[in-house]
Amino acid sequence: GDSVTQMEGPVTLSEEAFLTINCTYTATGYPSLFWYVQYPGEGLQLLLKATKADDKGSNKGFEATYRKETTSFHLEKGSVQVSDSAVYFCALSPSDYKLSFGAGTTVTVR
Amino acid sequence: GAGVSQTPSNKVTEKGKYVELRCDPISGHTALYWYRQSLGQGPEFLIYFQGTGAADDSGLPNDRFFAVRPEGSVSTLKIQRTERGDSAVYLCASSLGRSSYNEQFFGPGTRLTVL
Repeated sequence: GDSVTQMEGPVTLSEEAFLTINCTYTATGYPSLFWYVQYPGEGLQLLLKATKADDKGSNKGFEATYRKETTSFHLEKGSVQVSDSAVYFCALSPSDYKLSFGAGTTVTVR
Repeated sequence: GAGVSQTPSNKVTEKGKYVELRCDPISGHTALYWYRQSLGQGPEFLIYFQGTGAADDSGLPNDRFFAVRPEGSVSTLKIQRTERGDSAVYLCASSLGRSSYNEQFFGPGTRLTVL
């Protein structure tokens, strides 16, 4: 079935470092792809999304590009801050409503 | 405006007991979803409502789990004869409608612990 595999954590970085979290997916069709973030003590919230191949989602300095040829949706940020410390989830939606999530990657910025 | 709310925030129960978890979606959102998140894992889909009807309940693990949304707003997830393996955070989300273009807004979750 449709699924997402994301880079295992935890990841620890210094402020202003470059962040990449890898995400690859398996899907029979053309799913929409998402990154969700969970800040400490808060609920899940949408960070960015892309609905078709070659689309780039961006928000709060984060970017991810929907790569159909490599079935990937890697999350990147050029210069992280302490406030970016959170758990990041890659997800796909094969059916326009159901979300399938990866296991999450914990990022700590010091 | 108010976001998705869930009550209780924490629920501790004994094995074999019945529990109800409540979700209040964002006003005007016709789509409502339940997910379950086990420790160290991402959320797993349980059920999706469009209006009052369960459009997809394929994620419910077995017949001990049931959910309702009688008036198309508040939803209740019901778990009968709870087992220790049911311990998890149960998340509710709502959106304007079905579509990947409609963002799902998540509540804070109910942490269920079955002793």
